[in-house]
Amino acid sequence: KQEVTQIPAALSVPEGENLVLNCSFTDSAIYNLQWFRQDPGKGLTSLLLIQSSQREQTSGRLNASLDKSSGRSTLYIAASQPGDSATYLCAVSLPGANSKLTFGKGITLSVRP
Amino acid sequence: DAGVTQSPTHLIKTRGQQVTLRCSPKSGHDTVSWYQQALGQGPQFIFQYYEEEERQRGNFPDRFSGHQFPNYSSELNVNALLLGDSALYLCASNPVGHHQETQYFGPGTRLLVL
Repeated sequence: KQEVTQIPAALSVPEGENLVLNCSFTDSAIYNLQWFRQDPGKGLTSLLLIQSSQREQTSGRLNASLDKSSGRSTLYIAASQPGDSATYLCAVSLPGANSKLTFGKGITLSVRP
Repeated sequence: DAGVTQSPTHLIKTRGQQVTLRCSPKSGHDTVSWYQQALGQGPQFIFQYYEEEERQRGNFPDRFSGHQFPNYSSELNVNALLLGDSALYLCASNPVGHHQETQYFGPGTRLLVL
């Protein structure tokens, strides 16, 4: 059974800091890995999707990396801003799973002005 | 182009009642998945509908059932509500022929069971 872990559960940093959010998964035979952002009480917004054959994806100040062999992914946020405050979730899908996603519990990020 | 829409946004029910939640997928999408997100937890997969049939199901009891209509919209029904069913219910859709690509999520329906 695939399990996804995100530690710590919460993180508070000052504005401008570069930060790394971690995600680990138990079954390395994933099809892809996604990072989502969730604002309080809202739905999920896809930030980055990494296919199993890829090592990283970049979008603006965000960079996500994937190491399948070790079962790890990181989301790097450069020059953090108060508007980055949200919960960040990673999710994996398995081959043949018809896009069913298995999520971690998320990391709640607070960026202090 | 409207994204994934869900209704209602909020709902309050009492134990034992039944509830129906609705989802309209993003235009051009034919696959709809439902997830339950309890407070402080990640979303948990309930089931997925494609071509009006349940294609895959997560670890949820039979009290949870669904339906997909010819226009690809979907309903989630929960019978005999329990306090533990209180959660944010999220609907997600996939584009045609891209079942392994990113899912687009709706804003969710917040269900409170008293």
